[in-house]
Amino acid sequence: QKEVEQNSGPLSVPEGAIASLNCTYSDRGSQSFFWYRQYSGKSPELIMFIYSNGDKEDGRFTAQLNKASQYVSLLIRDSQPSDSATYLCAANNAGNMLTFGGGTRLMVKP
Amino acid sequence: GAVVSQHPSRVICKSGTSVKIECRSLDFQATTMFWYRQFPKQSLMLMATSNEGSKATYEQGVEKDKFLINHASLTLSTLTVTSAHPEDSSFYICSAPDRASQNSPLHFGNGTRLTVT
Repeated sequence: QKEVEQNSGPLSVPEGAIASLNCTYSDRGSQSFFWYRQYSGKSPELIMFIYSNGDKEDGRFTAQLNKASQYVSLLIRDSQPSDSATYLCAANNAGNMLTFGGGTRLMVKP
Repeated sequence: GAVVSQHPSRVICKSGTSVKIECRSLDFQATTMFWYRQFPKQSLMLMATSNEGSKATYEQGVEKDKFLINHASLTLSTLTVTSAHPEDSSFYICSAPDRASQNSPLHFGNGTRLTVT
């Protein structure tokens, strides 16, 4: 069973702080990893993807990948109340299929 | 960027009727599309993989005769919920990769909220 695990949260951070979201995956064959944001009642929207070990930065977002530890993380700097949502981690499998984690609910408090 | 259009966004139907949901890739061709279902406060669950020109592949526990999938062209996949029942009420979301590459992200439609009364 290929799994992607996330802490369901909620993760509560004050406005302006760094939010750190974590994800582990079981399939060592996964090569690509994706972070999606999902607001309540809406469909997921892609935030970032990462293929290589290390960090990848895009604005306030930084994705981190450690394939040896099978660990992916997403850091959100200067968190805003509008960042409050559920963040889904996903790992690819064969045939472009993605396996999603259960999501972490982030709450940014003003 | 790649856009996936899904219609309708919301549908209410009576028990026993059928509902068709359309998923279109607007600016790219999608040989493969994925259909997900999401119940309240739960994660996305893959229902089936829709393949252009061939039969869909269903995940374990998903009834292929109840959830009919047709992928007649490179830009259109449809999901028909047949003889819908209240337990089928859920949020249905389609998605497609914009490239055949294994590293291609999935682009999601806006989802269809189905309520069966």
